[in-house]
Amino acid sequence: AQSVTQLDSQVPVFEEAPVELRCNYSSSVSVYLFWYVQYPNQGLQLLLKYLSGSTLVESINGFEAEFNKSQTSFHLRKPSVHISDTAEYFCALLSNTGNQFYFGTGTSLTVIP
Amino acid sequence: SQTIHQWPATLVQPVGSPLSLECTVEGTSNPNLYWYRQAAGRGLQLLFYSVGIGQISSEVPQNLSASRPQDRQFILSSKKLLLSDSGFYLCAWSVGWGYGYTFGSGTRLTVV
Repeated sequence: AQSVTQLDSQVPVFEEAPVELRCNYSSSVSVYLFWYVQYPNQGLQLLLKYLSGSTLVESINGFEAEFNKSQTSFHLRKPSVHISDTAEYFCALLSNTGNQFYFGTGTSLTVIP
Repeated sequence: SQTIHQWPATLVQPVGSPLSLECTVEGTSNPNLYWYRQAAGRGLQLLFYSVGIGQISSEVPQNLSASRPQDRQFILSSKKLLLSDSGFYLCAWSVGWGYGYTFGSGTRLTVV
């Protein structure tokens, strides 16, 4: 069975401060990992994904995530956040044997001016 | 390019009324289609997925049903809405493993 755990439901952070949103997963098979972002009153958008190769993946707006197989983690980081980063962030897992995503419960990031 | 359309954006329905949410995909063929629900304060819950016309898999038993009458059309329905059906419904599609989902803009359903 697969599962995704996002340890923090809410993360408040001051503007221009660094942030880390934690994601741990559980799976007995190989997985693909994703981070999605949901801005207020909008649908979900793919932020970044890890499929294979380099364990560090980056998005176009400064976020990065590192796949750590030994710690079964895929934490999302940004060195300096902006007000516009305020959103809900979902970590998701796709196994190479199933046909569905497993989502974490989400982390609400609030950037404080 | 591929696009996904979902409507309506918001919906307020009385308890016991029927429901029909529609999702269509453009620019691709034979996509995998999904309906998710995001209840307040909770994560995303997969409701239904379809790998082809007329093929529907249900992940969670509930008051809802889904249909795929055409290759790129996915409909979520209910005969009688419950208060607990309120939430944010998202349609999504994918072409296969490792590509991730592309989500629609969502429908916020409030059952009153």
